[in-house]
Amino acid sequence: GAVVSQHPSRVICKSGTSVKIECRSLDFQATTMFWYRQFPKQSLMLMATSNEGSKATYEQGVEKDKFLINHASLTLSTLTVTSAHPEDSSFYICSARDKGPFSGELFFGEGSRLTVL
Amino acid sequence: GESVGLHLPTLSVQEGDNSIINCAYSNSASDYFIWYKQESGKGPQFIIDIRSNMDKRQGQRVTVLLNKTVKHLSLQIAATQPGDSAVYFCAEAGYNQGGKLIFGQGTELSVKP
Repeated sequence: GAVVSQHPSRVICKSGTSVKIECRSLDFQATTMFWYRQFPKQSLMLMATSNEGSKATYEQGVEKDKFLINHASLTLSTLTVTSAHPEDSSFYICSARDKGPFSGELFFGEGSRLTVL
Repeated sequence: GESVGLHLPTLSVQEGDNSIINCAYSNSASDYFIWYKQESGKGPQFIIDIRSNMDKRQGQRVTVLLNKTVKHLSLQIAATQPGDSAVYFCAEAGYNQGGKLIFGQGTELSVKP
């Protein structure tokens, strides 16, 4: 099946620094990618919809200046956590949908665990 | 963002028994539903899906039931195995929602050998 790859899988950074997480669709082109955040023992919370060639659409309550999303190509979306703080520590998961008609073919990456010290 | 941020309920079953995991979805306009399995430290893994024009769908050892009247979804796992231990999430989507999936609360399934 289709593969979505995230990098890095784990990252530790100091408070105040910025961290970039990449999401790549390896064998298909993704016009739309979604970014989720998941805290321990909780569900996945949708943060934003990343659209290739246009601005991301953020869910209510998600700071767009804090979580910068760039979808510069059909195979890559990046999430940058700017000026990270310990409360940003979380598991970030991306998913990607191929160019076909909406059929529910949504593929998930393996997640990136961010720890902010 | 959307989703329920409560702590996960747990379900403990004996190996070989059948498991039933329930989910209440939120949007009556949702027309597509998926069950995912998530193991610790990994991304969600697709299990089975169902569209709103169906009320039951079967896969290998799994069955999904949809009750649109009460906005309820269930996942039945037959002959539960230790490898089934994981967190299970239902997710809903709709054509009028831009294709995005909204996840439910999740249930942690623990299978005792």
